[in-house]
Amino acid sequence: DAKTTQPTSMDCAEGRAANLPCNHSTISGNEYVYWYRQIHSQGPQYIIHGLKNNETNEMASLIITEDRKSSTLILPHATLRDTAVYYCIVRVAANGNNRLAFGKGNQVVVIP
Amino acid sequence: EPEVTQTPSHQVTQMGQEVILRCVPISNHLYFYWYRQILGQKVEFLVSFYNNEISEKSEIFDDQFSVERPDGSNFTLKIRSTKLEDSAMYFCASSERASGTRHTQYFGPGTRLTVL
Repeated sequence: DAKTTQPTSMDCAEGRAANLPCNHSTISGNEYVYWYRQIHSQGPQYIIHGLKNNETNEMASLIITEDRKSSTLILPHATLRDTAVYYCIVRVAANGNNRLAFGKGNQVVVIP
Repeated sequence: EPEVTQTPSHQVTQMGQEVILRCVPISNHLYFYWYRQILGQKVEFLVSFYNNEISEKSEIFDDQFSVERPDGSNFTLKIRSTKLEDSAMYFCASSERASGTRHTQYFGPGTRLTVL
């Protein structure tokens, strides 16, 4: 699975959109981009995933560049409860390749 | 909304003792996983399980570990003889499939294992 690069940490203003970048320059054509977050040692929480197209759900939007070498997770209106470690993970979804490889993630702090 | 549940939330045991961590995956899911997170470190994959057998395991998942689906709802992780370094949060996850659509893994809240 391709590796990802994220900032170690970032601050976001409450009520504003939070844009979380992720680089995955070695991604291959059949690899998905997943985003999870972990709030203070709780279980990782699934946010969103995509393959090529931009995706949106009730939690966030995922913007994937045309060359697929980077992506941005957008939290449209950050709240204090969005303070968490955010993980960008790239993986081929295939039988026999089941593991999610978590990195160190991006510690996002939402500031009032 | 369906959730993965885990029991107990916290388990304290003596070194050398056996522990069993329990998970109830989401009901229509067919693939089950265990991960662990040592305090301050990354979440690490341990094992995946499908159709009553292990489909993938990491180098961490040695002979001291075993998994089982003893009935139609529970999925367990057994550590045969615990070591101090087994102290960690253990997360169970499940997914409907492993490939195609509906392969998203959903995690439980975790069991904190403390080995004394």
